[in-house]
Amino acid sequence: DAGITQSPRHKVTETGTPVTLRCHQTENHRYMYWYRQDPGHGLRLIHYSYGVKDTDKGEVSDGYSVSRSKTEDFLLTLESATSSQTSVYFCAISGHDTGELFFGEGSRLTVL
Amino acid sequence: KNEVEQSPQNLTAQEGEFITINCSYSVGISALHWLQQHPGGGIVSLFMLSSGKKKHGRLIATINIQEKHSSLHITASHPRDSAVYICAARSGTASKLTFGTGTRLQVTL
Repeated sequence: DAGITQSPRHKVTETGTPVTLRCHQTENHRYMYWYRQDPGHGLRLIHYSYGVKDTDKGEVSDGYSVSRSKTEDFLLTLESATSSQTSVYFCAISGHDTGELFFGEGSRLTVL
Repeated sequence: KNEVEQSPQNLTAQEGEFITINCSYSVGISALHWLQQHPGGGIVSLFMLSSGKKKHGRLIATINIQEKHSSLHITASHPRDSAVYICAARSGTASKLTFGTGTRLQVTL
């Protein structure tokens, strides 16, 4: 199994509080992605990274920010969580050469 | 309209049946992925295709680049194959993925 872990796996928080989700990889892969998965929408890209300090927005980036200060870590931050951000969040990694794709276990976030 | 469309959305089969799930895409791609997600579980990559056909055990994936279409076949289906199957089209310089909404497969005894 690819070395990719997400934390926390489950979190319940209140509207207006900041939340940070962490994705950690041990594969030294170049590309890292954050997705959210909601019923009826499938997986939607929030932000992605193509290298240290190189990030860009996805299709549903409003209300989210990311940082990648090391190859192995990609952080997703909700500055002020809203109920519409209740979702399951998946991190994924992909190698530049092989294109193989690996997903983390998912982080279930509930914003009350 | 989603750039990646899957059909059917839901599929029920009896054990042993041959199953086909279809994926059509409208974007130019560098590769297409088939993923599997069990209920409450994580997501596993089954195949990555850029042309032709790949086989792994009872699973076969095909792609027709000209027709922008891919299929996932499951031979001799088993209840443990029950899961959501998702296709994802990879494109662009940052290898971004566009996902279909998934096909929910249930295989009964």
